[in-house]
Amino acid sequence: AQSVTQLDSQVPVFEEAPVELRCNYSSSVSVYLFWYVQYPNQGLQLLLKYLSGSTLVKGINGFEAEFNKSQTSFHLRKPSVHISDTAEYFCAVRVSAGNKLTFGGGTRVLVKP
Amino acid sequence: GAGVSQSPSNKVTEKGKDVELRCDPISGHTALYWYRQRLGQGLEFLIYFQGNSAPDKSGLPSDRFSAERTGESVSTLTIQRTQQEDSAVYLCASSLDGGNTEAFFGQGTRLTVV
Repeated sequence: AQSVTQLDSQVPVFEEAPVELRCNYSSSVSVYLFWYVQYPNQGLQLLLKYLSGSTLVKGINGFEAEFNKSQTSFHLRKPSVHISDTAEYFCAVRVSAGNKLTFGGGTRVLVKP
Repeated sequence: GAGVSQSPSNKVTEKGKDVELRCDPISGHTALYWYRQRLGQGLEFLIYFQGNSAPDKSGLPSDRFSAERTGESVSTLTIQRTQQEDSAVYLCASSLDGGNTEAFFGQGTRLTVV
C-alpha cells in the first residue's frame, strides 16, 4: 500500500524568501503525485500534479515540484513567497492502477512580513 | 453542478445520535471519496467509490461508519451512535475517473459531537 510523508509540519518563512516543502512517498508501483493547498477557511484546491514525462512540474501561483523517482520524493518549491501563500499544503499519491488518493499529514506555511 | 456540494455545512449533534452527511459530486464524475480531517491534522481516507466496482472501505474506522452511493450520483456517509472523537470536518471529493485525473473537493461538513 502507498503512503506519504511530509517531513515538516510547520514552515515559517519571510515574505519574498524561497520555500521548499518536502514530500516522500512509498509505493512498489508507478504513482501519480499531487500537491493540494488549503487556504484558511477554504476547501482544498489542486496546485499541480505529476503524471508522466518531465520531472519538473509547474503549477499555479508560481509553485513548482520535482519528481525524483530514485529518492521517491516530490518536493514543492516557490522562489519567492507572498503573504497570501499562508496556507496548509498537502502532498498526495495515487497508484497508477487508479486507486484511492492518499494524503500526507500536511505542512502549514506561515509567511511573515 | 459547478462543483462538489456537501450538506450540511455544519452539524452539531449529541453523543449517541446518528448523523447523515451528504455529498453531491460533479456530474459525470465516476469516482467519489470521503475523507476526515481532524483539527490541525491531515486528511484521513475513509472510503472510495469507483463506478460500479465494490467500494474500497479500508479506511472506515469502525462499524459505526458506513457510506452508500447511488450509481454515479449522490453519496451519503452515515455515522451511528456518534462519539466525541468523531468530531471533525468530513470532506468529499470526486474525479472524472479513478486514474490520473484531479480530485475536486467540497467545502466539507464540520461535525461537532457534544
